[in-house]
Amino acid sequence: DAGVTQSPTHLIKTRGQQVTLRCSPKSGHDTVSWYQQALGQGPQFIFQYYEEEERQRGNFPDRFSGHQFPNYSSELNVNALLLGDSALYLCASSLVGRTNQPQHFGDGTRLSIL
Amino acid sequence: AQTVTQSQPEMSVQEAETVTLSCTYDTSENNYYLFWYKQPPSRQMILVIRQEAYKQQNATENRFSVNFQKAAKSFSLKISDSQLGDTAMYFCAFMKQTGANSKLTFGKGITLSVRP
Repeated sequence: DAGVTQSPTHLIKTRGQQVTLRCSPKSGHDTVSWYQQALGQGPQFIFQYYEEEERQRGNFPDRFSGHQFPNYSSELNVNALLLGDSALYLCASSLVGRTNQPQHFGDGTRLSIL
Repeated sequence: AQTVTQSQPEMSVQEAETVTLSCTYDTSENNYYLFWYKQPPSRQMILVIRQEAYKQQNATENRFSVNFQKAAKSFSLKISDSQLGDTAMYFCAFMKQTGANSKLTFGKGITLSVRP
């Protein structure tokens, strides 16, 4: 049973560039949530996708955008990268309506901005 | 909006002893879930234990148990017989109980070190 997979594991970019991170949900899951975790902090909710639409959004600027594909996989795009975007980006998957079942997390993508 | 507070930045415990990690939260919701997640250096966020707010009985998972005080909005994690593999960051998290999936709101975390 494949869990949540994220790619790449580590990425280095420079200020002003754009980046795309990818996530494949756990088999059987249809909802993908993205979180940003700064060093030494707890994860912060970015947004959630279900049925290829953004359903919820946290307090993040429009530079952060996403997409969900028909196979439920998802991408997180960040434009005009800032030094403060350096963080671990976590993807979590779940099954809609099953709030009694926990979200499953991937290993994350470590994004470093120079 | 919900907030989760973990005021202890780090703790240390001797192997085989018991340690308690504290968490408080603030919400106006009546139906919600509370979680403790473990994040070892490997980075993956692993669910340790979950508590439904409507249940008065405290959740237990092997060596892990919680003390859930709904009126006080307190949710502490007790780890018994601590093992070296318990060394990790621990996050307390809140989720509203809704018809659809809801977001997790995390605390800042606590670094737990288990000494041999």
